[in-house]
Amino acid sequence: GENVEQHPSTLSVQEGDSAVIKCTYSDSASNYFPWYKQELGKGPQLIIDIRSNVGEKKDQRIAVTLNKTAKHFSLHITETQPEDSAVYFCAASNGGYQKVTFGTGTKLQVIP
Amino acid sequence: EAGVVQSPRYKIIEKKQPVAFWCNPISGHNTLYWYRQNLGQGPELLIRYENEEAVDDSQLPKDRFSAERLKGVDSTLKIQPAELGDSAVYLCASTYRGNEQFFGPGTRLTVL
Repeated sequence: GENVEQHPSTLSVQEGDSAVIKCTYSDSASNYFPWYKQELGKGPQLIIDIRSNVGEKKDQRIAVTLNKTAKHFSLHITETQPEDSAVYFCAASNGGYQKVTFGTGTKLQVIP
Repeated sequence: EAGVVQSPRYKIIEKKQPVAFWCNPISGHNTLYWYRQNLGQGPELLIRYENEEAVDDSQLPKDRFSAERLKGVDSTLKIQPAELGDSAVYLCASTYRGNEQFFGPGTRLTVL
């Protein structure tokens, strides 16, 4: 089955700086890579996703990149704000939401 | 539009006792998922329903876990008997025709 590794497990940045979270996956058949934000006491919320036919996708301050050859993908948050503080999960799937394998999460702390 | 509703939000039980969790997905969402999220980990799929049919229960520990979605709307996940290792957050999620997956807030189970 799919195995998704995520680094770092914790990340502290100053407000306004950028944050980068990296993930690797094992199954070359995976073709869908969503990213989730989970705030305390809440379920994960989809913030951005990318499909294997695209190398990069951007949505305002958030961008994701995908390197299929190396089987790794990354989340980039620019101009971080305190409300970006949360746990972020990467995930990979070869069947949409039917078989999503999550990474272990990155706890992001944005220091005002 | 109401989100995915789960109850109870918290449950504390003694080991060997039964416990049940309830989920009401977003109206019209035909696919319902139950996940288990251990502390410091990403969610792991337990079971997926398409309408009232369980189409993927390969990760459900069937000796003690059961689930139902009788009318293709709300769903119940049961554990009997509970073990110490079952302590986790149980998340419910739903999608409509493979579109964005929405998660509920989860039920935090503590087994003493």
